[in-house]
Amino acid sequence: GAGVSQSPSNKVTEKGKDVELRCDPISGHTALYWYRQRLGQGLEFLIYFQGNSAPDKSGLPSDRFSAERTGESVSTLTIQRTQQEDSAVYLCASSRTGNTIYFGEGSWLTVV
Amino acid sequence: AQSVTQPDIHITVSEGASLELRCNYSYGATPYLFWYVQSPGQGLQLLLKYFSGDTLVQGIKGFEAEFKRSQSSFNLRKPSVHWSDAAEYFCAVGSLIQGAQKLVFGQGTRLTINP
Repeated sequence: GAGVSQSPSNKVTEKGKDVELRCDPISGHTALYWYRQRLGQGLEFLIYFQGNSAPDKSGLPSDRFSAERTGESVSTLTIQRTQQEDSAVYLCASSRTGNTIYFGEGSWLTVV
Repeated sequence: AQSVTQPDIHITVSEGASLELRCNYSYGATPYLFWYVQSPGQGLQLLLKYFSGDTLVQGIKGFEAEFKRSQSSFNLRKPSVHWSDAAEYFCAVGSLIQGAQKLVFGQGTRLTINP
C-alpha cells in the first residue's frame, strides 16, 4: 500500500485479556518500529526490526510485551494479560535503510 | 543517553503571527534531528529533518528549523501561522543503528491558533 497500515484502528479489551496489534509497513522498507503514546504524552520507543539483524527490544516495558516480524513484511505486537496502564496509542513506523521514518495512524487501545 | 526537551507544553498564537517552538537535545555525537506534526486523531507527519550540511532546514507547510550546535537546539519556526497549523508538534533526535533510525521524542508542544 501507499503508507504504513495498522489494524485494528481501535480496540477495547478487558483487563487480563491478550491483544494483538498488526502493522503492514511500506513495501520495500527494511526497518520497522513500534512506539507507544500515552494520552497527552510523547512517544516511547518499544522495539525495532532491521532486516535480518536481531531486533532491538530495549524499549519493551515488561515481559508481557512481545513483537514478531515476518521477513521484511508484517509485524505483530502482542500484549499479554493487559493492564489499564497499557491503554495508549500504539504507533508503527517503517523506513528504508538510514532514511526517513513514516508513521501509521496508530492502534488505539483501551483496557477497561 | 539521548534526550529531547520541549520546554513549552502549550503555545497559543494568533493567526498570521510568527511562531517559534523550542527544542533542546542531548546527544554525544552529531545528531539526526526531526520535527513531526500530529493532528488530532492522526498519525505523525514529518515536517523536516536535519542530517548534516546547511544548519537552516526548510520543510513542508512553510516551516523551517535551525540547528545550533553551541546551544544544542533545533527550534522550529514559521513566519505566519494558519488556523490549520493547530496540532501537536514533536521534536525528535535519532541515532542510526545498523541502518535503522532509533528516535527519541520530546513530550510535544500543543499549538492553538486564535482567529
